[in-house]
Amino acid sequence: KAGVTQTPRYLIKTRGQQVTLSCSPISGHRSVSWYQQTPGQGLQFLFEYFSETQRNKGNFPGRFSGRQFSNSRSEMNVSTLELGDSALYLCASSGDQETQYFGPGTRLLVL
Amino acid sequence: GENVEQHPSTLSVQEGDSAVIKCTYSDSASNYFPWYKQELGKRPQLIIDIRSNVGEKKDQRIAVTLNKTAKHFSLHITETQPEDSAVYFCAAYQGAQKLVFGQGTRLTINP
Repeated sequence: KAGVTQTPRYLIKTRGQQVTLSCSPISGHRSVSWYQQTPGQGLQFLFEYFSETQRNKGNFPGRFSGRQFSNSRSEMNVSTLELGDSALYLCASSGDQETQYFGPGTRLLVL
Repeated sequence: GENVEQHPSTLSVQEGDSAVIKCTYSDSASNYFPWYKQELGKRPQLIIDIRSNVGEKKDQRIAVTLNKTAKHFSLHITETQPEDSAVYFCAAYQGAQKLVFGQGTRLTINP
C-alpha cells in the first residue's frame, strides 16, 4: 500500500495570510490526525478526524481548523498566520487500531 | 491531561554498545505506547510499540519494557550501529487517536 502523502511539502507565507494543507491517508484508513512539530514544543496534537467528524481536538486556537472528506482525505487550515505558526505539520493515518503512520509533513515558514 | 516526560534529551554511545531511553507518563488510563524514530528531514517512523497488557516486547535489536505500576516505559537498543543515529520519541495514547509525545532524545552513535 502507498504510504501517507502530504501536499505541499514546503510553503512560505506572510503574517496575516491563511494556508491550507492536505493529507491523503493510507488506503483503507479512516482516521487522520494532525500534529505540529517545532524545536521548542516538540510534537503536539492538533485534531483528529474519523469518517468526516472531528473526534478529538488539542489545545490550539480556533485559527487552526480542519475537515475530512468522504474519501478520508483531510485538510487543515490556519487563518491569520503568525510567526509562531512556522513549523512542520505532520498528519498520521490509522486503521482499526491505535497505530499511527506519519506522512512526510508540510514545512511552513511564516515571514 | 496526559503528560509524558522523556530522558535523556541527548545520548551518545559507542558503536556496539547499548542505548536506553526512558519515559514516564501521568495518566494511568493510557494503554498504548509507541516509539518513533525520526531521521533528519524525514517523517517519524514507528519502530516498536507496546500495549498495557504486556510488560516487554522485543524486535531484533530493539526492545521496549513497560511498568504500569510505576507508569514508565523504556526503549532498549542493543549492538548499536551508525544508522541508529536519529531522534527518538516515545508517546502515550490518550484515546480517540490522540498521542501525547515526549520531548525526544537525540541519539548519536560514535564509530
